[in-house]
Amino acid sequence: EADIYQTPRYLVIGTGKKITLECSQTMGHDKMYWYQQDPGMELHLIHYSYGVNSTEKGDLSSESTVSRIRTEHFPLTLESARPSHTSQYLCASSVQGGEKLFFGSGTQLSVL
Amino acid sequence: AQKITQTQPGMFVQEKEAVTLDCTYDTSDPSYGLFWYKQPSSGEMIFLIYQGSYDQQNATEGRYSLNFQKARKSANLVISASQLGDSAMYFCATRTYGNNRLAFGKGNQVVVIP
Repeated sequence: EADIYQTPRYLVIGTGKKITLECSQTMGHDKMYWYQQDPGMELHLIHYSYGVNSTEKGDLSSESTVSRIRTEHFPLTLESARPSHTSQYLCASSVQGGEKLFFGSGTQLSVL
Repeated sequence: AQKITQTQPGMFVQEKEAVTLDCTYDTSDPSYGLFWYKQPSSGEMIFLIYQGSYDQQNATEGRYSLNFQKARKSANLVISASQLGDSAMYFCATRTYGNNRLAFGKGNQVVVIP
């Protein structure tokens, strides 16, 4: 079973705050991804990484940033949260050349 | 760009009955993969089944099977013998081997009733 962890599970925060959503995996996967999902909607890729020091923007423009200093860790940061950032954020990973993405449980972010 | 279409409204299914979820896709890449994921109300995404575009046989995984019709660009998911725990959103996704990224459809809501 997948070992990919996201914290916090829920986050309610005021406008203007800086936040970091954590994502860690213990499977040694090279590829990691961040998806954003609004309620009842499809997932949109916002960031991905193919390995340490590799990060790329996804298909959906996002004001967030990511870093990949260690293989197992792929945090997402919002420098100044706004109500428009309210959404669920899902982290995923896969092996190089692998077919299946393993997802974390997600972080539900609410910005007031 | 990949486009995935899931247009069925929310579905109510009797327990132990089978249900078919429709998915059509549009890609110009000759080599691609098709995926189905389940998302229960708790929010996590659970991988169900995978089909490669060059696979000759339809994929099966336990109670899940994929009705792959390549010429029609259709990859319907069939869930046999529905269980109450199957109530969830179901997402179809594709990945072309050129870009290695999954693109998702809008999902189908399934509610299994006893």
